[in-house]
Amino acid sequence: EAQVTQNPRYLITVTGKKLTVTCSQNMNHEYMSWYRQDPGLGLRQIYYSMNVEVTDKGDVPEGYKVSRKEKRNFPLILESPSPNQTSLYFCASSLLRGEGSPLHFGNGTRLTVT
Amino acid sequence: LAKTTQPISMDSYEGQEVNITCSHNNIATNDYITWYQQFPSQGPRFIIQGYKTKVTNEVASLFIPADRKSSTLSLPRVSLSDTAVYYCLVGELGRGSTLGRLYFGRGTQLTVWP
Repeated sequence: EAQVTQNPRYLITVTGKKLTVTCSQNMNHEYMSWYRQDPGLGLRQIYYSMNVEVTDKGDVPEGYKVSRKEKRNFPLILESPSPNQTSLYFCASSLLRGEGSPLHFGNGTRLTVT
Repeated sequence: LAKTTQPISMDSYEGQEVNITCSHNNIATNDYITWYQQFPSQGPRFIIQGYKTKVTNEVASLFIPADRKSSTLSLPRVSLSDTAVYYCLVGELGRGSTLGRLYFGRGTQLTVWP
């Protein structure tokens, strides 16, 4: 089944403890991206990647890192999480083709930083 | 980066047609317009996409005027299960694209009443 898989679904951690949220897609998509969703603010893009070893900042990159060493994986890294990073996170991927390409989203990771 | 403006919320009754309009005054020539639907605690799901004029699929229609500065998602005969947040996304994401920055905005909460 074609899908975007995020892990974990729920994560509670403490301030300053490094964590990684994994994202994997099995559709051979070039494009992958991360979003955070907060009440009243909609979806905001954190980072995106157009292909392997190509990443760039979205609207709210501060406090986050990403890497794209393989086409299928795009982990989101929080080196020193803070309470303002408590949020619902979504990973998405897309096949870059000749016309506009829809995004396929994972089911989300709810992160709480205390 | 083309930003979008949508109503924060809309209400409807079962069986009615719902039209949600999105404004995107600074849409670029290569941008597509895509609508997504999101249920609570799930990732957004692709509904429909268009570039100009009218597009129709099995679940919705998308109307885009000639100047492309706005678009209207039309949901025919809504049911209770159409209660969700709807996002309008404007951006270029296709083969050869170097633009991966996407702006979702705050979306429109549609509530369908019995």
